[in-house]
Amino acid sequence: QKEVEQNSGPLSVPEGAIASLNCTYSDRGSQSFFWYRQYSGKSPELIMSIYSNGDKEDGRFTAQLNKASQYVSLLIRDSQPSDSATYLCAVTRGGSQGNLIFGKGTKLSVKP
Amino acid sequence: KAGVTQTPRYLIKTRGQQVTLSCSPISGHRSVSWYQQTPGQGLQFLFEYFSETQRNKGNFPGRFSGRQFSNSRSEMNVSTLELGDSALYLCASSLRQSNQPQHFGDGTRLSIL
Repeated sequence: QKEVEQNSGPLSVPEGAIASLNCTYSDRGSQSFFWYRQYSGKSPELIMSIYSNGDKEDGRFTAQLNKASQYVSLLIRDSQPSDSATYLCAVTRGGSQGNLIFGKGTKLSVKP
Repeated sequence: KAGVTQTPRYLIKTRGQQVTLSCSPISGHRSVSWYQQTPGQGLQFLFEYFSETQRNKGNFPGRFSGRQFSNSRSEMNVSTLELGDSALYLCASSLRQSNQPQHFGDGTRLSIL
């Protein structure tokens, strides 16, 4: 089983819709969870971090974490063409000093 | 506040050569992590340095090495380059630990001929 799994996509949504991106992880000791956005030819950009179960909202983005199910998701409301990018889920290995493990990313395409 | 700075941005080398990449973290950040990104494998963790000590290491051969200086700047070295080492090498910094938000530099694109 891969440590961090994401659907590679592409996920295509119309402009203005909600995009839902999902990620599962295997290490029950993981404590920190991050979503990064990576535009083609660019480096990853941090957009959300979440550390406890539940929802965390920041503007049009909502991160959801369920540690019992080992599941983290990212919702993008009112999707815009500028949101078209690859979204990377990152999870820390168990322990306070575990390094980040990245999923391979989900490619999102928002159609005007 | 300046971001993470990586130099050089592009490198072309031939098999068997060695290369050194440099990373200057965000001011005040003491943890530096290195990653290799390829289309097939995605982002793979190489190693993390904190206070000049390697704290974590990924599953890469010994040809890949790194170090961190007292000002938190870091370098990574790849010796005896192979064609498969062609990749985007990314450096990321965080305040103290790699489980805190990491911020990436623009990367070094390494091509092996």
